[in-house]
Amino acid sequence: DTAVSQTPKYLVTQMGNDKSIKCEQNLGHDTMYWYKQDSKKFLKIMFSYNNKELIINETVPNRFSPKSPDKAHLNLHINSLELGDSAVYFCASSQDIGQPQHFGDGTRLSIL
Amino acid sequence: AQSVTQLDSQVPVFEEAPVELRCNYSSSVSVYLFWYVQYPNQGLQLLLKYLSGSTLVKGINGFEAEFNKSQTSFHLRKPSVHISDTAEYFCAVFSGNTGKLIFGQGTTLQVKP
Repeated sequence: DTAVSQTPKYLVTQMGNDKSIKCEQNLGHDTMYWYKQDSKKFLKIMFSYNNKELIINETVPNRFSPKSPDKAHLNLHINSLELGDSAVYFCASSQDIGQPQHFGDGTRLSIL
Repeated sequence: AQSVTQLDSQVPVFEEAPVELRCNYSSSVSVYLFWYVQYPNQGLQLLLKYLSGSTLVKGINGFEAEFNKSQTSFHLRKPSVHISDTAEYFCAVFSGNTGKLIFGQGTTLQVKP
């Protein structure tokens, strides 16, 4: 019973391609997030949704677009992938803003 | 701006020895504080949290942390570590002003036999 699940776990693709990462949580939480972890393990918030509404949109290239079809899902679509997009992307959820966050196992994106 | 500093990037320690991982934060408003652990190829797992109340917080796996408002610190401690505690540890601060959880740079705890 995985609480926060993301697919795929690994994603290897070429520069210029478009790809999506899916995230689902079965905890009944209202808030979901996307984080990027770089090669030095630094974690940075990208987006946050609360009750399907975008509440945090960090300085992220507009090639990245989140979509929340319902409270349990927050997907991340990336257009025109670049070498610098290589990283591990984590989805997370919390009961509400400011509450402890539960993380998925990450999607390791490698751009060739 | 809100920031979190983990003072040690790596902490090597022998099994059964005590350990302290240091975390300082800067914020002019009330904050919530967290410690997370990340095992290799996994997501982050919550170790403990401080939201309010007692400044000494106990978490999972025998870890505890003390919130010190005057020193703006939230150091993580364990009296006796195990090999299985080898992992990356992240301190994080949530500020109601920004609505964001800001992470420190992480500390790698290496427990040696």
